[in-house]
Amino acid sequence: AQTVTQSQPEMSVQEAETVTLSCTYDTSENNYYLFWYKQPPSRQMILVIRQEAYKQQNATENRFSVNFQKAAKSFSLKISDSQLGDTAMYFCAFRVYSGGGADGLTFGKGTHLIIQP
Amino acid sequence: ETGVTQTPRHLVMGMTNKKSLKCEQHLGHNAMYWYKQSAKKPLELMFVYSLEERVENNSVPSRFSPECPNSSHLFLHLHTLQPEDSALYLCASSQEVSWGEQYFGPGTRLTVT
Repeated sequence: AQTVTQSQPEMSVQEAETVTLSCTYDTSENNYYLFWYKQPPSRQMILVIRQEAYKQQNATENRFSVNFQKAAKSFSLKISDSQLGDTAMYFCAFRVYSGGGADGLTFGKGTHLIIQP
Repeated sequence: ETGVTQTPRHLVMGMTNKKSLKCEQHLGHNAMYWYKQSAKKPLELMFVYSLEERVENNSVPSRFSPECPNSSHLFLHLHTLQPEDSALYLCASSQEVSWGEQYFGPGTRLTVT
């Protein structure tokens, strides 16, 4: 079974600062995906960024980037130039590539990120 | 409509009621999912459907009954629920059941009284 751990229940930074959210996971699988989802107060779960485990290059989406360390089973999210709209719960999620099987996402407990004006 | 939609957004029901949650995806995906999100707990996968066939049931009590009439629609039928079933119920879809990211609906906030 897979587990995902987010060790920071809550973080608070000033607007325009850079913040890094940590995530570690445990799996015996070799082919998998990692995701960061954002859930603002509206409750809509929004995909922020994805990373395929076979790719060595870290994924980047505008102000969001990841630091993927496969050997260490670490997948952190960096948010640059943080904005008030980034305030939300952030969930790290894991999914095995099951090659024809069925699987859902395994989520961490989330980090509540607050961007202060 | 775009993305994944869910109705109703809020539902209050008694323990003896029967109600249904509806999910519709407008993305042309082949797989759909139900998740439960409770306070202080990680999201829990409940059901997985691929091309209208249930492929995963994560030991969910029988008072939750899913239905997938086609690849665009997913229902969760509820009956004789318990107060501990109060939660946010999220529907998601993905292109294929075996890989890739999932896209979520806004959820139904369920309160069981």
